[in-house]
Amino acid sequence: DTGVSQDPRHKITKRGQNVTFRCDPISEHNRLYWYRQTLGQGPEFLTYFQNEAQLEKSRLLSDRFSAERPKGSFSTLEIQRTEQGDSAMYLCASSSLTSGRALSGELFFGEGSRLTVL
Amino acid sequence: DAKTTQPPSMDCAEGRAANLPCNHSTISGNEYVYWYRQIHSQGPQYIIHGLKNNETNEMASLIITEDRKSSTLILPHATLRDTAVYYCIVRALTGANSKLTFGKGITLSVRP
Repeated sequence: DTGVSQDPRHKITKRGQNVTFRCDPISEHNRLYWYRQTLGQGPEFLTYFQNEAQLEKSRLLSDRFSAERPKGSFSTLEIQRTEQGDSAMYLCASSSLTSGRALSGELFFGEGSRLTVL
Repeated sequence: DAKTTQPPSMDCAEGRAANLPCNHSTISGNEYVYWYRQIHSQGPQYIIHGLKNNETNEMASLIITEDRKSSTLILPHATLRDTAVYYCIVRALTGANSKLTFGKGITLSVRP
């Protein structure tokens, strides 16, 4: 499968602990996005990268959240000192600016990492 | 905030056409209309997009009104596997409005 992969798929943690999610985008996709989705809501934009540069961050991304994409390939999203309100599905998506389908602006999503904070 | 409004839910019979409406009265000239869907426990999946002309692909058809203030996604022969949340999104391809901003979408239930 050469789609977007996310790890872990499920994470249960206690309040105050740190968690890290990893996203492996489709090979050679230069844009990578993080979204958060809570029950009954649509995905909310958190941040996105073009190659290794983080170009935009939502105000939802508090100081406890940090995202990196050090070599322009995979990305990590770390949440420090987790709170119960952080419980959500964290979705990663990637897109390409250079492939033939890039003009469609299509984002390819992974299946998400579900976080439960107890 | 999402720039589209959709009814919260609708249903249709299997094998019949599903017509999903969307209002986007404040759409800008450089913004496209995108549709994504999200099947339970999966990530969103791209369906189709358009600027002002009607579009059709293997999944669906997109009908955009002449004034571009509304659109309809048509699934010509709905199946049970089409049960999902469908999101209508307006988006520019470049610039500040180029990210996807999701609303709550419309939940389509296809009944046998």
